[in-house]
Amino acid sequence: TQLLEQSPQFLSIQEGENLTVYCNSSSVFSSLQWYRQEPGEGPVLLVTVVTGGEVKKLKRLTFQFGDARKDSSLHITAAQPGDTGLYLCAGAQTGTASKLTFGTGTRLQVTL
Amino acid sequence: DTEVTQTPKHLVMGMTNKKSLKCEQHMGHRAMYWYKQKAKKPPELMFVYSYEKLSINESVPSRFSPECPNSSLLNLHLHALQPEDSALYLCASSRFLRGTDTQYFGPGTRLTVL
Repeated sequence: TQLLEQSPQFLSIQEGENLTVYCNSSSVFSSLQWYRQEPGEGPVLLVTVVTGGEVKKLKRLTFQFGDARKDSSLHITAAQPGDTGLYLCAGAQTGTASKLTFGTGTRLQVTL
Repeated sequence: DTEVTQTPKHLVMGMTNKKSLKCEQHMGHRAMYWYKQKAKKPPELMFVYSYEKLSINESVPSRFSPECPNSSLLNLHLHALQPEDSALYLCASSRFLRGTDTQYFGPGTRLTVL
């Protein structure tokens, strides 16, 4: 079973702080997606990365896919209360159907 | 447009009821998925359809019966559920069933089984 470990599990920070969330595995993924989920809602796609070493920016969010395509990170600059939510990474198995393995999740709380 | 819609948003049912969850997408995606998510846990895959044919069944109990009547619609028929089946049920779709294809999720149906 492929596992994706996210760290930290919980993060409570104040508005304006920076943070990084990590998503690690011993397995190689053909692609990795990051989602943010609000309570009782479906996950909303933030980004998909497919190339080892790839860096993508989405406003204050920076996503990186590891060179070996086994890990990824999400960095948020100057966090805002609207960033609060559950962040999930999800990797697709290499060479097979698009069956996602979800990470364990990072719950972020940003306060004023 | 990357929208996946699900109805109903909330559903309460007794253990003897029969109900159905519906999912729709108009992105031309040929792969559709059902996930189950318990509180504070990541989504767990239940079923995958590719070109309207069942491709993956993750050993889901027969009280859950999926159906894909056409390329835009996905149903999940529920019968004789147990209280432990209460969860958020998520539908997703992707362009094809490939490892590099992004999955887009619907808002989910919150199911409560009494």
